[in-house]
Parts: sequence; structure tokens; C-alpha cells
Amino acid sequence: AQSVTQLGSHVSVSEGALVLLRCNYSSSVPPYLFWYVQYPNQGLQLLLKYTSAATLVKGINGFEAEFKKSETSFHLTKPSAHMSDAAEYFCAVSYTGTASKLTFGTGTRLQVTL
Amino acid sequence: DAMVIQNPRYQVTQFGKPVTLSCSQTLNHNVMYWYQQKSSQAPKLLFHYYDKDFNNEADTPDNFQSRRPNTSFCFLDIRSPGLGDAAMYLCATSRVGMGYNEQFFGPGTRLTVL
Repeated sequence: AQSVTQLGSHVSVSEGALVLLRCNYSSSVPPYLFWYVQYPNQGLQLLLKYTSAATLVKGINGFEAEFKKSETSFHLTKPSAHMSDAAEYFCAVSYTGTASKLTFGTGTRLQVTL
Repeated sequence: DAMVIQNPRYQVTQFGKPVTLSCSQTLNHNVMYWYQQKSSQAPKLLFHYYDKDFNNEADTPDNFQSRRPNTSFCFLDIRSPGLGDAAMYLCATSRVGMGYNEQFFGPGTRLTVL
């Protein structure tokens, strides 16, 4: 069965600093990978997705992620954090033929300080 | 804009009093999902509809039911809400056939049980 591990339930960075949120997946077949962001009392918004095309994926709000098969990772980065980036971030994995189900990681809460 | 709409955004009910949450979509997607999300946790899939086919997760309590009268609408019925059912309920949609099963989420309904 597929699974997703997000290292660090809470990450704190200073405004302007690099954001790095970690995501590792376990899989014996090529996955589709997603990063979602959730602001308080809102639904999940897709930041970016990996669908077996380019391994470096650019998303909204200046975020990007790199699919590394050798490391089974899909870490999310942003060069310079902004206060508005403070939110919960979820990594998720899906596979062809799984009836469209997503398997979510446990989430990482990003705090941005002045 | 095409979207997923959930009504109401906030719902208060009494212990044991049936409640229905609503989801509609203008994306014309063939799959609709219901998730339960408790505080500081990842969304937990309750069930999904693939067209008219209902797919229940094995650990979804019988207290939770769903209806999908047409492509656009899907309802979540909680027959006898308990205090433990207080949560954010998220509706999502996807179009199977896209290959990578991207899900689009609504803003959620926050349920309070008194």
C-alpha cells in the first residue's frame, strides 16, 4: 500500500527565508504526487502536482517541488517566505487505477515570523 | 468560474439530531468525495461516488450516509451526530480519465455538535 511521510509537523521560518517542507512516499509503481495548502477554516487548494512529466514542478505562489525517484521524495520549496504563506501543507499521492483516491501525509504547519 | 460549492459553511446541530451537508459542482466531474477533517489532522476519506456508483470506506461509521441525485450534487447525511462527529467536512471532485486524479476541493462545512 502506498503511504506518504511528511517530516516535521511544524516548521517555522523567518520572512524572506527559504521554505523547505519534506515529503517522502513509498511506492513500487510510479506515483502521482501533489502538494495542497490549507488556510484556517478553508478547503484544500492545489499548489502543484507531479504527473510523470518534468521532475521539477512549478506551482502557484512561488512554490516548486522536485520529484526525486532515487530518494522517493517530493519536497516543497520556496526561495523567500512571505507572511501569507503561513498555513497547513499536505503532501498527497495517487496512482492510476486506485479509483482516484488520494493518500495524504499528516501535514506540516508552516509558521512565518518577522 | 467552475468550482465546488459547499453549503452551509458553518452548521450547528444538537447531539442526535440528523443533519445534512450539501455539495455542488460546476466542473462536470464524474467523481465526488466526502472527507472528514478533525483539528490538526489530514482529511480522512469517508466515501466517494464514481458516477452513480457509491464506494464506502471500510472504516466509515454507519452513521454517515451519502446521496448523489445527479452529477452536480452530493449530500452527506449524519443520522445521529455525536460529539465526536464535530469536524470540518470537505467535498472534492475529480474527473477520472485525466490520468493523475487531481482533486478539487470545496471550502468545507464546519460542523459543531452541541
